[in-house]
Amino acid sequence: AQTVTQSQPEMSVQEAETVTLSCTYDTSENNYYLFWYKQPPSRQMILVIRQEAYKQQNATENRFSVNFQKAAKSFSLKISDSQLGDTAMYFCAFMKVQGAQKLVFGQGTRLTINP
Amino acid sequence: DADVTQTPRNRITKTGKRIMLECSQTKGHDRMYWYRQDPGLGLRLIYYSFDVKDINKGEISDGYSVSRQAQAKFSLSLESAIPNQTALYFCATSDPSGGREFGELFFGEGSRLTVL
Repeated sequence: AQTVTQSQPEMSVQEAETVTLSCTYDTSENNYYLFWYKQPPSRQMILVIRQEAYKQQNATENRFSVNFQKAAKSFSLKISDSQLGDTAMYFCAFMKVQGAQKLVFGQGTRLTINP
Repeated sequence: DADVTQTPRNRITKTGKRIMLECSQTKGHDRMYWYRQDPGLGLRLIYYSFDVKDINKGEISDGYSVSRQAQAKFSLSLESAIPNQTALYFCATSDPSGGREFGELFFGEGSRLTVL
């Protein structure tokens, strides 16, 4: 079974700083997707960014980028020029392509952006 | 209106009561899921359904049951609620047909359940 680990329960940075959230996963699959979801205080789950395992290029979405290290099974999220609206829980998630396409989530990291 | 709607948004109930959480979607997706969120544990899969006749248990299905009444509706029941079922429950949908949304889950706004 796949597992996803987020080792940082909480993080806090100042507005405009850059912050990196860590995620590691364990799988024997070769073809899979990785995701970062954001959950603001409204509790709505919002997709931030996704990475396809067969793509070597790291995904980017505006201020959000990932560092995908397939051999190390690591998938970190970097938020540049952080904003107050980035304050949220962030969840890393894994999905294998073959078979039932279910997302497996990490424990979450609570990120606070301070003014 | 939201693409995935959950009712109720918040509910307080007592031990032993039967509770139903409802989910409806307008995205036209065949796949629907129920997840439970607990602090420090992330989201864990309770049940999932790939179409009206295909329902599967997730990793924590004990104490729960589901019904897929139509492509757009997927309800979660707690037959006899207990305090450790206090959690935030999410319904989600996905489209397996490929394209840029492949693998993405579309979530409802969550149902917070408290069992006293």
